[in-house]
Amino acid sequence: TQTVSQSDAHVTVFEGDSVELRCNYSYGGSIYLSWYIQHHGHGLQFLLKYYSGNPVVQGVNGFEAEFSKSDSSFHLRKASVHWSDSAVYFCAVTANYGSSGNKLIFGIGTLLSVKP
Amino acid sequence: NSKVIQTPRYLVKGQGQKAKMRCIPEKGHPVVFWYQQNKNNEFKFLINFQNQEVLQQIDMTEKRFSAECPSNSPCSLEIQSSEAGDSALYLCASSLSRGASAETLYFGSGTRLTVL
Repeated sequence: TQTVSQSDAHVTVFEGDSVELRCNYSYGGSIYLSWYIQHHGHGLQFLLKYYSGNPVVQGVNGFEAEFSKSDSSFHLRKASVHWSDSAVYFCAVTANYGSSGNKLIFGIGTLLSVKP
Repeated sequence: NSKVIQTPRYLVKGQGQKAKMRCIPEKGHPVVFWYQQNKNNEFKFLINFQNQEVLQQIDMTEKRFSAECPSNSPCSLEIQSSEAGDSALYLCASSLSRGASAETLYFGSGTRLTVL
């Protein structure tokens, strides 16, 4: 069984601040992790993913995330946020079902509010 | 930016009515997913396809939900007899492959179903 935990339901920062959104996972095999963003009233947009190699992965719009096997974590970070980064952020782990394909298992999301 | 197109954006139905929503996956993507996102940001995987073939679906889908991805036509998800608990955002996503666990999913903007 693979699960994803996002411990912070809501994070509020000021424009220009740095931010870290936390994600922890449990797994039963190979780890494939990703982050998606959802602006209000819209679908999900892919930010970044990790599946092997360098544990720090770069994504769009200045986001990066770091995989830690020892901590079972995949935290998302940004050095300087903009008001347009206000959205809900979802961490996801990919569950593999062999010939039946894959599916994403999502956390419940973290709402990031960026104040001017 | 994703080019997965979902219609309609909003759908309002009475209990017991049929509700049908459509999805055009990104060009060249043979794998299509349907997810249900409730007001608590919980995602439920419903079904996925590769071309016209169903790869995996949950029990709920097998009873009142039906879905198809006909050749040269939009994919569709239909609820035969809507219930209040079906009110949610229905997200369609597509990807290039079912076999690669690192494959990125591209999401549409969703259809928000309200069952009165």
